[in-house]
Amino acid sequence: KQEVTQIPAALSVPEGENLVLNCSFTDSAIYNLQWFRQDPGKGLTSLLLIQSSQREQTSGRLNASLDKSSGRSTLYIAASQPGDSATYLCAVSFFTSGTYKYIFGTGTRLKVLA
Amino acid sequence: DADVTQTPRNRITKTGKRIMLECSQTKGHDRMYWYRQDPGLGLRLIYYSFDVKDINKGEISDGYSVSRQAQAKFSLSLESAIPNQTALYFCATSDPGEFYGYTFGSGTRLTVV
Repeated sequence: KQEVTQIPAALSVPEGENLVLNCSFTDSAIYNLQWFRQDPGKGLTSLLLIQSSQREQTSGRLNASLDKSSGRSTLYIAASQPGDSATYLCAVSFFTSGTYKYIFGTGTRLKVLA
Repeated sequence: DADVTQTPRNRITKTGKRIMLECSQTKGHDRMYWYRQDPGLGLRLIYYSFDVKDINKGEISDGYSVSRQAQAKFSLSLESAIPNQTALYFCATSDPGEFYGYTFGSGTRLTVV
C-alpha cells in the first residue's frame, strides 16, 4: 500500500536561510509527484510537478528533486522569506486498479521568521 | 476568475440537514475530484469522476453523494449532515495533457453543529 510521509511536521527558520523539505513514499512505481503550498484555511496551489522520468524541476527559488529508487523527494527553497510561510504538501500519483490515484502527505508547516 | 471555483466558501449547518457543495471549472478538464481535509489526517478522496457518465467512490464515500451535471460542474451532497463531517472540502481537476497534475479550488469550510 502506498504511503506518503513528510517529516518534520513543522519547521521554523530565520529569513534568508536555504531549507529542504522532505517527502518519502513506500512504493517506487509512481507516475508523478506534485508539491503544493497551502496557506491557512485556503486552497492548495501547485508549485512543481515531477514526472517519474524526471530527476528534478525548478521554478524560481524552488527546486524539487525525485529519487524513485529510494522513495524520496525534496523541495529546496532558496533564500527563504516570511512570505514563504505556509504548509507544504507533497502528493504521489500511481496507477492502481485501472486508474491513476493520488496519495497526499500530511504536510510540513513552515514558518519563516523575519 | 479562478480556474476552479467552489461555493459556498463557508457554511454552518445543523445535524440532519442536507447540504450541497458546488464546484465549477473553466480548465476544460474531464477529471474532477472531491476531497476532505482534516487536521492531522491530510486529504482524503471522497468521490471522483472521469467524465459526465463516470462516477467513482473514493476511500471515504459513506454519507456523501455526488452529481456531475456537466463537464464543468461537479457537486457534492451530504445527505444528512453529522458533526464529524465538519472539515475543509476541496474540489480538484486534472487532465492527461497536464500529466494528471491537480488544480484545486479554494475550498469550502463546512461546520456541522
